[in-house]
Amino acid sequence: GENVEQHPSTLSVQEGDSAVIKCTYSDSASNYFPWYKQELGKGPQLIIDIRSNVGEKKDQRIAVTLNKTAKHFSLHITETQPEDSAVYFCAASIGGSQGNLIFGKGTKLSVKP
Amino acid sequence: GAGVSQSPSNKVTEKGKDVELRCDPISGHTALYWYRQSLGQGLEFLIYFQGNSAPDKSGLPSDRFSAERTGGSVSTLTIQRTQQEDSAVYLCASSLNGGGNTEAFFGQGTRLTVV
Repeated sequence: GENVEQHPSTLSVQEGDSAVIKCTYSDSASNYFPWYKQELGKGPQLIIDIRSNVGEKKDQRIAVTLNKTAKHFSLHITETQPEDSAVYFCAASIGGSQGNLIFGKGTKLSVKP
Repeated sequence: GAGVSQSPSNKVTEKGKDVELRCDPISGHTALYWYRQSLGQGLEFLIYFQGNSAPDKSGLPSDRFSAERTGGSVSTLTIQRTQQEDSAVYLCASSLNGGGNTEAFFGQGTRLTVV
């Protein structure tokens, strides 16, 4: 079946450094790519998303890039802060606009003060 | 309510018993998803409901797992003859009209422990 691969599984950075998480997807019909942040004991929450007609989107310290040809998208966090420490999940829509959401396996980000 | 509500928040059950997990999606959301998250692991897709379409059950791990969505709103995930490997957090999410279009909002999850 269709899947989403996410790397790395863990990432440790110093406060103030940048963090990059990468995902690839298999369904060429995927058109929506959200990123979720999950803090301990809570459900995942959307932090940014991108649609297939856009190559890059930025929201303050967070940016996402999409390469449809390579079926690859990435999350970039700049000037990391300790409160950015969490598990981050990428996802891709499967089966078009009415379709399912399939998630990557997550990246545990640790930001050291 | 304002968000996706799941109940119970915690459930401890004996091996071999059946359990039912409930999800109340955001009012008006046509799409509803169930995922399973084992300790420290990712979000494993279980089942997806979209409007009146037949549900996508391709993620259900065995025939002990089933789910229904009554009246296009509340959903119940049922696990029969529970096994210890079923222990996990079960997360429900809903979105306005499908995963390829709009944000999916997650509930807090039900932590299931099979002893």
